[in-house]
Amino acid sequence: GAVVSQHPSWVICKSGTSVKIECRSLDFQATTMFWYRQFPKQSLMLMATSNEGSKATYEQGVEKDKFLINHASLTLSTLTVTSAHPEDSSFYICSARSYATNSYNEQFFGPGTRLTVL
Amino acid sequence: QKEVEQNSGPLSVPEGAIASLNCTYSDRVSQSFFWYRQYSGKSPELIMSIYSNGDKEDGRFTAQLNKASQYVSLLIRDSQPSDSATYLCAVKEFTGGGNKLTFGTGTQLKVEL
Repeated sequence: GAVVSQHPSWVICKSGTSVKIECRSLDFQATTMFWYRQFPKQSLMLMATSNEGSKATYEQGVEKDKFLINHASLTLSTLTVTSAHPEDSSFYICSARSYATNSYNEQFFGPGTRLTVL
Repeated sequence: QKEVEQNSGPLSVPEGAIASLNCTYSDRVSQSFFWYRQYSGKSPELIMSIYSNGDKEDGRFTAQLNKASQYVSLLIRDSQPSDSATYLCAVKEFTGGGNKLTFGTGTQLKVEL
């Protein structure tokens, strides 16, 4: 149980284009999903918290107009990187918190999406 | 600013030995603590969670929590080469914060044959 998928697993795009990354909880409903970014040899940095049916909450320093997050259902959240630049190249990872899980607030991670902007 | 501190390593242990990974945190109200394992190029995988002072054992893994000292550790017994990875300590505060986790920078573990 508690499986989270991401699509695509990797993407290469040209500078200035937009890229959409999907995060799905496969066997549970996720009221809350989180989007992280990880640069090489660094830890995970939370970008935003996505709640089903409401606007995402962005961390300080993360541009909400550049990183568009939509959490339209209890099993799907999307992150769109708009007007991508080479400095946006990173490993993007989502996680999901189960609605019906125990009280431990455990987050389960997707496999990640490696974005390379040329 | 809430901080989670880990020694970046690498921590090298021989196969079969006990690996000890440590983590300290700054926010006294933190209530939930997690250890994740991350292989190179992969996303983190939850290994252990602990919420009460003391030890929690799961197979070869033991998590230890001391809230008074703001310290949490992970022991790996009978270390195997497949345990070689980066171990991330994560802390969640009890109230507010939107259930966010704060991650340490991770400790790289190398288990040598």
